[in-house]
Amino acid sequence: EVQLVESGGGLVKPGGSLRVSCEASGFNSSDYSMNWVRQAPGKGLEWLSSISGSGIYKYYADSVKGRFTISRDNAKNSVFLQMSSLRAEDTAIYYCARAWGSAGYFDYWGRGALVTVSS
Amino acid sequence: DIVLTQSPATLSVSPGERATLSCRASQSVSRDVAWYQQKPGQAPRLLIYGASTRAPDISPRFSASGSGTEFTLTISSLQSEDFAVYYCQLYTNWPPRTFGQGTKLEIK
Repeated sequence: EVQLVESGGGLVKPGGSLRVSCEASGFNSSDYSMNWVRQAPGKGLEWLSSISGSGIYKYYADSVKGRFTISRDNAKNSVFLQMSSLRAEDTAIYYCARAWGSAGYFDYWGRGALVTVSS
Repeated sequence: DIVLTQSPATLSVSPGERATLSCRASQSVSRDVAWYQQKPGQAPRLLIYGASTRAPDISPRFSASGSGTEFTLTISSLQSEDFAVYYCQLYTNWPPRTFGQGTKLEIK
């Protein structure tokens, strides 16, 4: 059974940093591009970042480029999102999602990790 | 960047009736559109990919069509568990991997 489990969410002060993690099971994660999507309270879905199966290719939304860094450790079937210079508007649930093949629709999602940026 | 516009923002339909949700792209995207369902407190779930192909284990009450710039998700014979927020997504021509703003399907 495919599972994605996020961890590392929490409360952080504006300007601070936080790393959220996503542990995959039930499949070989190195075969898939992985993604981070967030959802601010009461708002829609916002794609943030993608990383190829090898970890070589990385892509970011303009809203987080230069502040967030995606990475992965295929030996641990894990993907990470390092977030820095956090702002109140980064408060959201952060979801990890698997992209199917080269097409790229998101076939599995984790339950999300809540990140709250507040003083 | 291509923009996806979903309409209506909120749709009120009675159980047992049919709901039709729309997603319009700002330029042609072939058939590279997916639809997701999100219930309160849950992660999104893939319903449709390739504009019209149901994902595994998705009820046949969910159907979708479209190509180019106009896409439609239809839910027939609405059941209580279908009332949720629905998002379309363009999954090629990225980055960014664009989502529509969502349509909330509520009980009338």
